[in-house]
Amino acid sequence: SQTIHQWPATLVQPVGSPLSLECTVEGTSNPNLYWYRQAAGRGLQLLFYSVGIGQISSEVPQNLSASRPQDRQFILSSKKLLLSDSGFYLCAWNTGTGSGYTFGSGTRLTVV
Amino acid sequence: GQSLEQPSEVTAVEGAIVQINCTYQTSGFYGLSWYQQHDGGAPTFLSYNALDGLEETGRFSSFLSRSDSYGYLLLQELQMKDSASYFCAVRENSNYQLIWGAGTKLIIKP
Repeated sequence: SQTIHQWPATLVQPVGSPLSLECTVEGTSNPNLYWYRQAAGRGLQLLFYSVGIGQISSEVPQNLSASRPQDRQFILSSKKLLLSDSGFYLCAWNTGTGSGYTFGSGTRLTVV
Repeated sequence: GQSLEQPSEVTAVEGAIVQINCTYQTSGFYGLSWYQQHDGGAPTFLSYNALDGLEETGRFSSFLSRSDSYGYLLLQELQMKDSASYFCAVRENSNYQLIWGAGTKLIIKP
């Protein structure tokens, strides 16, 4: 069966520090992968998506970046965090068949 | 521009039926999805409608009218565990990206 792993679950980081969030998918090949951010009580904002290794599309200009070094690995990074980067970060995948997304359990990031 | 409108909050009684509406304005349309999110958790997929009509999955049903740019999620025999936020999301093009509504918080009273 397909599973998605996302870690860490919570993170408190000082302003200006770097960030690396990792997401891996098991049980499927060549998934579409997504990074979303959700502010408290709000909807989901698409940050990045990837349809294959090394292929990254950015939806929102920001100080974040994403990479896909392997087929089932998606990484969200920042060189210097801002206070406005705080939020709930969610990794998701789908097979591109019109079925729904499967989300990871999320990382709650607080920048202090 | 692109927009999805859904009520911010709906209150219902345990055992009752509730309908959560979603209207959308997008440049393209491939389908409408619904997701459930409990507090502190990740969204989970409920349904996807690409064609007009009603789709039923257990206690949950989802309806779509493409001519009206409108859909709804119907929850029957409400249980306390259904207390959550519900999001509608539109697949706008051949890419599998979604445009998301702001979510409806469903409050269920005993």
